[in-house]
Amino acid sequence: NAGVTQTPKFQVLKTGQSMTLQCAQDMNHNSMYWYRQDPGMGLRLIYYSASEGTTDKGEVPNGYNVSRLNKREFSLRLESAAPSQTSVYFCASSEDAAYSGREYFGPGTRLLVL
Amino acid sequence: GNSVTQMEGPVTLSEEAFLTINCTYTATGYPSLFWYVQYPGEGLQLLLKATKADDKGSNKGFEATYRKETTSFHLEKGSVQVSDSAVYFCALVDRLGSGSARQLTFGSGTQLTVLP
Repeated sequence: NAGVTQTPKFQVLKTGQSMTLQCAQDMNHNSMYWYRQDPGMGLRLIYYSASEGTTDKGEVPNGYNVSRLNKREFSLRLESAAPSQTSVYFCASSEDAAYSGREYFGPGTRLLVL
Repeated sequence: GNSVTQMEGPVTLSEEAFLTINCTYTATGYPSLFWYVQYPGEGLQLLLKATKADDKGSNKGFEATYRKETTSFHLEKGSVQVSDSAVYFCALVDRLGSGSARQLTFGSGTQLTVLP
């Protein structure tokens, strides 16, 4: 079991460039999440997918789009990167049959936008 | 809305010292409370949780008690080790949208460094 995997691990973009962050889980979880982590601010939810085929906005969705490609995969896209999107991005998943608060996190993608 | 406030770090301790990381919350209902830990270069992982008042969560020598009267969930460990060096996040479960899905609301995190 790999758990939650994310690619790439690190990326440098120029302002205005686009990219997609990939996330996959092999635990057959229904729900998946994208967070960003900024110094002194903890983790903030960007988007989530409660089940395959559904996605919803979280606390800070502006500038991002997501796709729940299938039950395993949930991608995050930056269409036109801005320096304010420099952050560490975490993907997470949970079983959500009866949400327990236990989310399983990937190792993160460190993004630098110049 | 609901929120979580953690003591600011960083916290630096010597090995075998006693640890307390304060966490208080604001919530309209009776949330479940969590401590997550992030080791260097890794994602977060659940350390312990408590789902109702007076519950005590414990794991790996860490403990936290859900105190409804003080809306607190302070993390404690009697004797820290170098391997406990990490960032600790307090969190609560909030409701997500209008459905049954849930969302974790995190505090800002507290960096702990344990020196040998």
